[in-house]
Amino acid sequence: EVQMVESGGGLVQPGGSLRLSCAASGFTVTSSYMSWVRQAPGKGLEWVSLIYSGGSAFYADSVKGRFTISRDNSKNTLYLHMNSLRPEDTAVYYCARVGGRYPTYYFDYWGQGTLVTVSS
Amino acid sequence: QSVLTQPPSVSGAPGQRVTISCTGSSSNIGAGYAVHWYQQLPGTAPKLLIYDNNNRPSGVPDRFSGSKSGTSASLAFTGLQAEDEANYYCQSYDSSLSGPVFGGGTKLTVL
Repeated sequence: EVQMVESGGGLVQPGGSLRLSCAASGFTVTSSYMSWVRQAPGKGLEWVSLIYSGGSAFYADSVKGRFTISRDNSKNTLYLHMNSLRPEDTAVYYCARVGGRYPTYYFDYWGQGTLVTVSS
Repeated sequence: QSVLTQPPSVSGAPGQRVTISCTGSSSNIGAGYAVHWYQQLPGTAPKLLIYDNNNRPSGVPDRFSGSKSGTSASLAFTGLQAEDEANYYCQSYDSSLSGPVFGGGTKLTVL
C-alpha cells in the first residue's frame, strides 16, 4: 500500500529555515517523480516543487532560490529544505507522488500534510 | 488569483446532476494540456478523482466524470450523494509558468 507521512513542520520566525520530511512506503521515492504542494489556511492548492527520478528539480517562482527539494534513497524519504522563510509561506505542505510524466503531471497519492507557520 | 478559474461554490440536491467548470487559457488547457481533478474532504488531504481529462483511478465511482473542450474543462456528478460534499480542484500544466497549476477550488454543497 502506498503511504507517505510528512514531518518537520512548526513555527519559525521570518527569515528562518526549516526542513520538511516525507517518509514513503509501498514504492521507491528515487524511482518516482515526487512533488510538494502547499495550501495556505483557508486557501487553494499551490504547486511548490517537483523532482524527477533522475534528479532534475523544478520550482514555482514564489520559492525559487529559497527552497530545495531532495531525496534520500536509503531512507526512502523526500525532503524540502526551506530558507529565508516569509509569512506568505505559511501553509500546510503536502508531499505527493506524481502519477504522470511531462507535461501531464498529476498527483496520484498524497501525504496527510504538515503545517508550517512563519510568524514573529 | 489562480491561473485556472473555478466557481467558488455550487450546490445540488441528492440525486441531481451537477457540474463544476474550470476555465484556463492558451498557455494551459487551451494548449492541449490534460486536466485533472481532486476532491478534498474537510480536514483531509486532496485525493485524485479524475486524471487525463476523463480517467478515473481505481475505486472512484463512475458517477464522477470529466470532460475538456477548448480552454475549459468540467467535472460532472451524476446522482449527487451527501458524501460528495467537499472542495474540488482542477489542475493542469502551464507552459508560461513551466509547472503544474491549480484552480481556486469549488465548494460543493449537497442540499
